Amino acid sequence: EVQLVESGGGLVQPGGSLRLSCAASGFTFSSYWMHWVRQAPGKGLVWVSRINSDGSSTSYADSVKGRFTISRDNAKNTLYLQMNSLRAEDTAVYYCARFNLILGELVQGWFDPWGQGTLVTVSS
Amino acid sequence: NFMLTQPHSVSESPGKTVTISCTRSSGSIASNYVQWYQQRPGSSPTTVIYEDNQRPSGVPDRFSGSIDSSSNSASLTISGLKTEDEADYYCQSYDSSNHVFGTGTKVTVL
Repeated sequence: EVQLVESGGGLVQPGGSLRLSCAASGFTFSSYWMHWVRQAPGKGLVWVSRINSDGSSTSYADSVKGRFTISRDNAKNTLYLQMNSLRAEDTAVYYCARFNLILGELVQGWFDPWGQGTLVTVSS
Repeated sequence: NFMLTQPHSVSESPGKTVTISCTRSSGSIASNYVQWYQQRPGSSPTTVIYEDNQRPSGVPDRFSGSIDSSSNSASLTISGLKTEDEADYYCQSYDSSNHVFGTGTKVTVL
């Protein structure tokens, strides 16, 4: 069974740091690009970051650029999101998602599956 | 960056058909593929449509997707509504290294 399990969320003060993990199983992790998507309480989905299959290329939403770092360990089948200088507006459920490339495309595809999410709350 | 705008909510009775629109603010809707995700209360999103109109295995053919260049929008149509279809639905597309999600539509089955 293809599965993604996030961990590492919690309560952190503004300006603090947190590292999220996403453990993958049931598929060849090293063959897939991976993404992080977040959802503030009662709000919609917002793309955060992506990493290519070997970790050599990353991309970020403007709102987190310079503060968040995505990485992966293919030997451990694990995706990470290092979050620094956290702000109240970063409060959200963070989902990791596998990216399935559309046949013939280099960067377009769809997110599936998604993990169950991990809640990050930034508050004093 | 562009935005994808959806109606806030739609409601219909079981057995009926609903259509959710997703309008792109700038750039052509046809220039990048559109995906649709279903998020039931308390659950993670799942894919119902990818590549504009393709259904993943396991998604019933009651779900269909389309693109309309004249209105610069994509649409998700759910026919034969069931109570289990009650959920939030999000469109999603891509441009210039950014993956953009729509504002989301709450579907209520009366």
